[in-house]
Amino acid sequence: EDQVTQSPEALRLQEGESSSLNCSYTVSGLRGLFWYRQDPGKGPEFLFTLYSAGEEKEKERLKATLTKKESFLHITAPKPEDSATYLCAVHIGGSEKLVFGKGTKLTVNP
Amino acid sequence: GAVVSQHPSWVICKSGTSVKIECRSLDFQATTMFWYRQFPKQSLMLMATSNEGSKATYEQGVEKDKFLINHASLTLSTLTVTSAHPEDSSFYICSASNIAGNTIYFGEGSWLTVV
Repeated sequence: EDQVTQSPEALRLQEGESSSLNCSYTVSGLRGLFWYRQDPGKGPEFLFTLYSAGEEKEKERLKATLTKKESFLHITAPKPEDSATYLCAVHIGGSEKLVFGKGTKLTVNP
Repeated sequence: GAVVSQHPSWVICKSGTSVKIECRSLDFQATTMFWYRQFPKQSLMLMATSNEGSKATYEQGVEKDKFLINHASLTLSTLTVTSAHPEDSSFYICSASNIAGNTIYFGEGSWLTVV
């Protein structure tokens, strides 16, 4: 069964305290791995798509990396405005569907 | 700016009535659109996959006669909640895949409250 597991469920950081969010997956054929940010009461905002092991992408304070079993979303020197729920989803070969993890709720305190 | 637009952002309807939510892709043609439902503090639950010009594919447990999906063009899909009941109150979100399938954008979501 295709599964996506995100950890931790919740993470509290002080402003400037760098950390990483994890997304591990067990799927039959990875077509792409997506990271989204979701603010309360809003739809997910697209951040990155990763396709192959070793691939890295960066956007401002965020960097996403991918291995054959997991992806990390590194956040460097976070700010309070980075507080949100970060969702990981995998796009499986042979399907149009995304399989989502349950998300990591990130809180950055000033 | 937003590349997938949902309308309305929020709607209140009376029990027993129907309500329609629109999802439009603004900058690209979307052969495939998806409809999700999200409960508070939970992740997105896929309801159905909508392909332009064909019938939607519903996930197990989702009533196709209650949640009518139409994808009449490459830029518009609609979700109609028929004979709405209070338990249908939720946050409904659509997403659209570009033709290459390498980017999937989400709309801003629509809050439905059935009273």
